[in-house]
Amino acid sequence: QVQLQQSGPGLVKPSQTLSLTCAISGDSVSANSVAWDWIRQSPSRGLEWLGRTYYTSRWYNDYAEPMKGRININSDTTNNQVSLQLSSVTPEDTAIYYCARKNGVFAFDIWGQGTMVTVSS
Amino acid sequence: DIQMTQSPSTLSPSVGDRVTITCRASQSISDWLAWYQHKPGKAPKLLIYKASSLESGVPSRFSGTRSGTEFTLTITSLQPDDLATYYCQQYNSYPWTFGQGTKVEIK
Repeated sequence: QVQLQQSGPGLVKPSQTLSLTCAISGDSVSANSVAWDWIRQSPSRGLEWLGRTYYTSRWYNDYAEPMKGRININSDTTNNQVSLQLSSVTPEDTAIYYCARKNGVFAFDIWGQGTMVTVSS
Repeated sequence: DIQMTQSPSTLSPSVGDRVTITCRASQSISDWLAWYQHKPGKAPKLLIYKASSLESGVPSRFSGTRSGTEFTLTITSLQPDDLATYYCQQYNSYPWTFGQGTKVEIK
C-alpha cells in the first residue's frame, strides 16, 4: 500500500523559504511511469498544480510557469522522498500543500495528508 | 493553459437524490480527465480517471461520462458520506489544471 507522509513547518515568515518533505512508502521515488507532484489549495486559487519530479533514465522536473524562479523540487533516493522548496514567500503563498503521485493514466491516485502553511511575520 | 469550468459551485440535494456535476474544458483533452472527492481535513481522493474509469474501491454509485469537451460526474443515489467538495482535473497537457470545485451539502 503506497503512502505519502508530509512534514515541514506550518509557519513561514515573509521573504523566507518554504520547505516541505514527502516521504514515500510502498513505492520508489525513482519508479518508472510515475511522477511526484506538489499541489496547493487556497480559498483564492482553489487547487493549483505547482510542479513535479520524475525519473526516466535521468531526473526531470517541470514547474508551473508562475512558480518558475522560486520553486525547486528535489528527489532523495537514499531516504525515498521528495521535497519542495519555495523561496521569497508572501502571504499569497498561504495554502494547504499536498504531495501526490501521478500514476500514468490513473492521474493523482495517492495523496499526502496535506500541510497547512501560513506565511506571516 | 487549459481552463476547466465546473458547475454548479454548490449543491444541496437530499439523501437518495441523483446528483450531476459538470466540467467543461476550454479545448480538447481527449479522455484525460479525473474526478476527486475532497473532505475537510483529508487528502483528495481519486474517484474517476480517464473520464469514465472507476478507481478501485470507489462505490459504483459514482460514474463519469464524456461528450466532447464536457464531462459529467454522476452520483446515482446520494449517501450522507458523500458530503464533500468535488473537483475535476485535466491531465492532457501541462500545466495540469483543476476545476473550481462543487460543494455538495446534504439537505
